[in-house]
Amino acid sequence: NFMLTQPHSVSESPGKTVTISCTRSSDSIASNYVQWYQQRPGSAPTIVIYEDDQRPSGVPDRFSGSIDSSSNSASLTISALKTEDEADYYCQSYDSSDLKVVFGGGTKLTVL
Amino acid sequence: EVQLVQSGAEVKKPGESLRISCKGSGYSFSSYWISWVRQMPGKGLEWMGRIDPSNSYTNYSPSFQGHVTISADKSISTAYVQWSSLKASDTAMYYCARLRLTAADMDVWGTGTTVSVSS
Repeated sequence: NFMLTQPHSVSESPGKTVTISCTRSSDSIASNYVQWYQQRPGSAPTIVIYEDDQRPSGVPDRFSGSIDSSSNSASLTISALKTEDEADYYCQSYDSSDLKVVFGGGTKLTVL
Repeated sequence: EVQLVQSGAEVKKPGESLRISCKGSGYSFSSYWISWVRQMPGKGLEWMGRIDPSNSYTNYSPSFQGHVTISADKSISTAYVQWSSLKASDTAMYYCARLRLTAADMDVWGTGTTVSVSS
């Protein structure tokens, strides 16, 4: 079993770049793909990154994902921030040992 | 258009039973697993479990095993989660999502069902 740990909140100004981290507690971050979801207030989550760094159609290329084995973490980077990017972001992966989906605790992004 | 449409909001009393639904359209329902996800008020996403609609195989998060039952009827492209005896702590928003096994990612999410349990 493992956990995914995210910062509770981050904030940045419009036009800037922000990075949200997601650290895996045990085993390699590369063991299973990492996904990222955006959840705006009052709405269902939507996927913005899948398979570590793939962007679904319709997601702006301002959104990018990566993994870093040295820190055993995944990152979501949003460039050229817009006020509409203000939302909660969740990372998610899969525990192959017990066939369980694992979510990070979520990060509230404030664009001010 | 691929969609998951969930049943409407529910208001229940502790001890009552409940079943909420998630109907898929625009794709082959049996070809993808369905996950259920809980979001308690002001809190994060919690994975409850998943079902393969083609054969109704399920697996659950340990946190939810024994407290909920996930099922599906592939003939009507609908998945369900049910409770036999609700608790106030079941008050939450519940989402279904289409789960792709290649990466275990959830690419399509349902509209959400609010469940309120109060005496």
